[in-house]
Amino acid sequence: DGGITQSPKYLFRKEGQNVTLSCEQNLNHDAMYWYRQDPGQGLRLIYYSQIVNDFQKGDIAEGYSVSREKKESFPLTVTSAQKNPTAFYLCASKMSGGVNEQFFGPGTRLTVL
Amino acid sequence: KNEVEQSPQNLTAQEGEFITINCSYSVGISALHWLQQHPGGGIVSLFMLSSGKKKHGRLIATINIQEKHSSLHITASHPRDSAVYICAVRSGTGNQFYFGTGTSLTVIP
Repeated sequence: DGGITQSPKYLFRKEGQNVTLSCEQNLNHDAMYWYRQDPGQGLRLIYYSQIVNDFQKGDIAEGYSVSREKKESFPLTVTSAQKNPTAFYLCASKMSGGVNEQFFGPGTRLTVL
Repeated sequence: KNEVEQSPQNLTAQEGEFITINCSYSVGISALHWLQQHPGGGIVSLFMLSSGKKKHGRLIATINIQEKHSSLHITASHPRDSAVYICAVRSGTGNQFYFGTGTSLTVIP
């Protein structure tokens, strides 16, 4: 089946550790996105990539890093520089060009202890 | 101020009631999306529209471009409709999406 997978569903880390969240899609989508969701707030864009080996910062990129070495994969690293990393992280993808629908993964809930 | 505002924030309804969720936005858009997020966290796209009205089953979405306003209606609501409904707009100038904070709907049997 085509879709977006994120793993793991739940992730616990100690403060000060870097952690990488996985996002894979087999929809052949060009564009991929990482969002953060906090209670009472709308989704906020962390990073996005419109093509392999290229990505742009979103509204809240500080403390995060990404890579886009393959079309299907867009991993997000939450570094120790991110002051409040505990949140729900959603990955999404869409076809580039035109007004295309964005498809979301199931999300990863990260808790930093 | 958020680019996308939704109301109400929380909504409780009896099964069978007609439900309306409103969304207002302040930016130029190329499309507006209504999304549904269930308690597990996954998000599903319900509608994408840039004008007029769309209907899918018991769900109806309308948009008024001049007034920068959209509504999501649920007819004959059911407990399985309980979820958070999110309005999102795609900017007219790029690939940016702006999201509302969501409306948490609970339908009681």
